[in-house]
Amino acid sequence: SQQGEEDPQALSIQEGENATMNCSYKTSINNLQWYRQNSGRGLVHLILIRSNEREKHSGRLRVTLDTSKKSSSLLITASRAADTASYFCATDATGGSEKLVFGKGTKLTVNP
Amino acid sequence: NAGVMQNPRHLVRRRGQEARLRCSPMKGHSHVYWYRQLPEEGLKFMVYLQKENIIDESGMPKERFSAEFPKEGPSILRIQQVVRGDSAAYFCASSPSGRGYTGELFFGEGSRLTVL
Repeated sequence: SQQGEEDPQALSIQEGENATMNCSYKTSINNLQWYRQNSGRGLVHLILIRSNEREKHSGRLRVTLDTSKKSSSLLITASRAADTASYFCATDATGGSEKLVFGKGTKLTVNP
Repeated sequence: NAGVMQNPRHLVRRRGQEARLRCSPMKGHSHVYWYRQLPEEGLKFMVYLQKENIIDESGMPKERFSAEFPKEGPSILRIQQVVRGDSAAYFCASSPSGRGYTGELFFGEGSRLTVL
């Protein structure tokens, strides 16, 4: 299975701090995506990084990708209580079907 | 511009009954994916369909589960003779392009099935 694995499973921080979540995967990929899920809601796409990219920014989000280590990290800077959610990485395999494979997620709690 | 619409949002069934979950993709999207999420777990791929065609059903249980995406109307995930282990949130996602698309998926809010 090429399923991504997020680390840590749960993270609790104070508002204003940075939050870093990691994802590891097993096979070669076309790209890696990060999604966010608020409790009881659907997933919302945050950012996509292609296999030939090493770093990408979007607002307070910074994503890195190390294809040699098959890992990615998501950094949320200056966190807010509204960032409280579960965060999932998702990968697609090169040469495979179009389906995305999701990890189990990191549950982030930002305390006000 | 409506997003992916799923209904019902919540469904309660007794063991042995049938559950039908519907998904209307975003306007202009012709590809639909179904995922299942158990409590405190990630999403597990079930099936990928385009209009009138199943592309990949490698994640579908061999029995009791079926999916379709007719030429007209929503995609339907059907679970026959439900058991307690089928209790989960079922998410539908859609994408705009054809084969080879590797971009963002657009998710619905999910249908939460509870089997008593």
